[in-house]
Amino acid sequence: AQSVTQPDIHITVSEGASLELRCNYSYGATPYLFWYVQSPGQGLQLLLKYFSGDTLVQGIKGFEAEFKRSQSSFNLRKPSVHWSDAAEYFCAVSPFTGTASKLTFGTGTRLQVTL
Amino acid sequence: GAVVSQHPSRVICKSGTSVKIECRSLDFQATTMFWYRQFPKKSLMLMATSNEGSKATYEQGVEKDKFLINHASLTLSTLTVTSAHPEDSSFYICSASQSSVLNNEQFFGPGTRLTVL
Repeated sequence: AQSVTQPDIHITVSEGASLELRCNYSYGATPYLFWYVQSPGQGLQLLLKYFSGDTLVQGIKGFEAEFKRSQSSFNLRKPSVHWSDAAEYFCAVSPFTGTASKLTFGTGTRLQVTL
Repeated sequence: GAVVSQHPSRVICKSGTSVKIECRSLDFQATTMFWYRQFPKKSLMLMATSNEGSKATYEQGVEKDKFLINHASLTLSTLTVTSAHPEDSSFYICSASQSSVLNNEQFFGPGTRLTVL
């Protein structure tokens, strides 16, 4: 069975500082990997996804993530955080089946940005 | 493109009543829709997967008679919480996907906040 671990429940960074949110996954084959952001009371917005190819994936809002198969990780990064980035971030994994299949989410990391 | 809507966005009901939540894909045909439940400060828990025209597949521990899911068309799925109780209060989120060879992406609705008094 697939699983996702986000070790950091809560992270606080200063505006303008760099950010890295950790994600480790467990899956026996090639996974689809995703990062979503959820603002308070809102649904999920896809930041980026990894299916195959280049292991460094660029997303929206200046985010990027790097897939490291040897470490089973898919960490999310941003070089300079903005106050509007404060939100809940979820990493998710899905089987590489080529058709829609269910996502397994991590428990989320809440990002707080101080001015 | 790929917009998913949910209605209502917020609902308050009395204990024992039933509540229906709609999930619509506005600009694409969703062959598969998913329903998630999110508890406060918790992750999303998949409740069920529904394919158009067939019965939903429920995750272990989810009562199918309690949470009725209908996916009658390629653009609409509904979740009915029957005989709702306060413990059913939660944030319910749907997602929709258009199956294709290379597309495994789900598009999420904005969620529905259910409060059962």
